[in-house]
Amino acid sequence: DAGITQSPRHKVTETGTPVTLRCHQTENHRYMYWYRQDPGHGLRLIHYSYGVKDTDKGEVSDGYSVSRSKTEDFLLTLESATSSQTSVYFCATGTGTYEQYFGPGTRLTVT
Amino acid sequence: TQLLEQSPQFLSIQEGENLTVYCNSSSVFSSLQWYRQEPGEGPVLLVTVVTGGEVKKLKRLTFQFGDARKDSSLHITAAQPGDTGLYLCAGLNTGFQKLVFGTGTRLLVSP
Repeated sequence: DAGITQSPRHKVTETGTPVTLRCHQTENHRYMYWYRQDPGHGLRLIHYSYGVKDTDKGEVSDGYSVSRSKTEDFLLTLESATSSQTSVYFCATGTGTYEQYFGPGTRLTVT
Repeated sequence: TQLLEQSPQFLSIQEGENLTVYCNSSSVFSSLQWYRQEPGEGPVLLVTVVTGGEVKKLKRLTFQFGDARKDSSLHITAAQPGDTGLYLCAGLNTGFQKLVFGTGTRLLVSP
């Protein structure tokens, strides 16, 4: 258990509104990741970070931005939420070897 | 784009039966991981296999990495209801520190 928390755990929002999800870790892991999980698609990488202020895009980054101002926090922002962004979002951390450790997830519904 | 195909997608068996889940790709991975995910929670790492042909055992679970490092299998002996969950394979491309996830196998073990 890498000591990863996500907030909020559940959120319902309206189309067009901005939304920010927070991931907080206590393990001082260098790498942090945001994934979304949808039926039939498994887990898909949105953005990841390899250090403070160092971020890069994943395979489904359109409509999302991230920021990492401290080692322990990684924020995911939906600039203008759409119904296609209804999903379960997972944060993960890693040390740069093989393993990744996942948070409990945030269920986001965009109406 | 690297893809990992898992089969079967769903598996419903009785307690005590054996089963095998497959994870296949046309791409070579430096390592492959297996995760288990329970409803409402994030994936939890079960094992990492690194060397082609490697076999790892975790109690009743046996994991194998293909010789060419393109495929893997998970075999469960004498399945128990506690094995119920979503099993995900994930391949790591070391150069990018990013995991590619399979679409998952949902296992239900009935008493």
